[in-house]
Amino acid sequence: AQSVTQPDIHITVSEGASLELRCNYSYGATPYLFWYVQSPGQGLQLLLKYFSGDTLVQGIKGFEAEFKRSQSSFNLRKPSVHWSDAAEYFCAVGAPLDYGQNFVFGPGTRLSVLP
Amino acid sequence: SAVISQKPSRDICQRGTSLTIQCQVDSQVTMMFWYRQQPGQSLTLIATANQGSEATYESGFVIDKFPISRPNLTFSTLTVSNMSPEDSSIYLCSVASGSDEQFFGPGTRLTVL
Repeated sequence: AQSVTQPDIHITVSEGASLELRCNYSYGATPYLFWYVQSPGQGLQLLLKYFSGDTLVQGIKGFEAEFKRSQSSFNLRKPSVHWSDAAEYFCAVGAPLDYGQNFVFGPGTRLSVLP
Repeated sequence: SAVISQKPSRDICQRGTSLTIQCQVDSQVTMMFWYRQQPGQSLTLIATANQGSEATYESGFVIDKFPISRPNLTFSTLTVSNMSPEDSSIYLCSVASGSDEQFFGPGTRLTVL
């Protein structure tokens, strides 16, 4: 069965510092990978996605993620964090056009940003 | 992308009552889903809302507790029945329409006393 792990439950960084959020997945085939952000009291917003091709994908708000098949990882990065980036971040894995139980969310990483 | 609205945005309910949550999309979509996000937890899929037929429920969720309607391609409702404090969660509607990604509504924050 497919699964997603996000090893860091909570990360605190200073504003302006770089950020990397880790995501590891287990999937039987080539996965579709996603990063979502959930700001306090808000729904989920898609930051970026990887389906195929270039393993470094660019997303919104200055985020990027790199797919590493050998490590089963899809880590999210940002070179300089802004206070407004404080939120919950979810990694997810899915199959093409399959949104049932095969679309799995990780447990989430809560990001706090110090001024 | 689709724009999704949910009503109500939040509610506080008494034990034993029921609440119906509405999800409205600004365009016709193929698939609609309902998720539950318990406090401090990730998202768990409750069911797929099927237009014109009964919803498809995931393991651990049953129709008597979470009846779902989907009368057309832009609207769905989820009812949380006979509520208990354990039902306190955020309930999110999401949609997909052949683009390999899901779009989420803002969620309904439910507190059961």
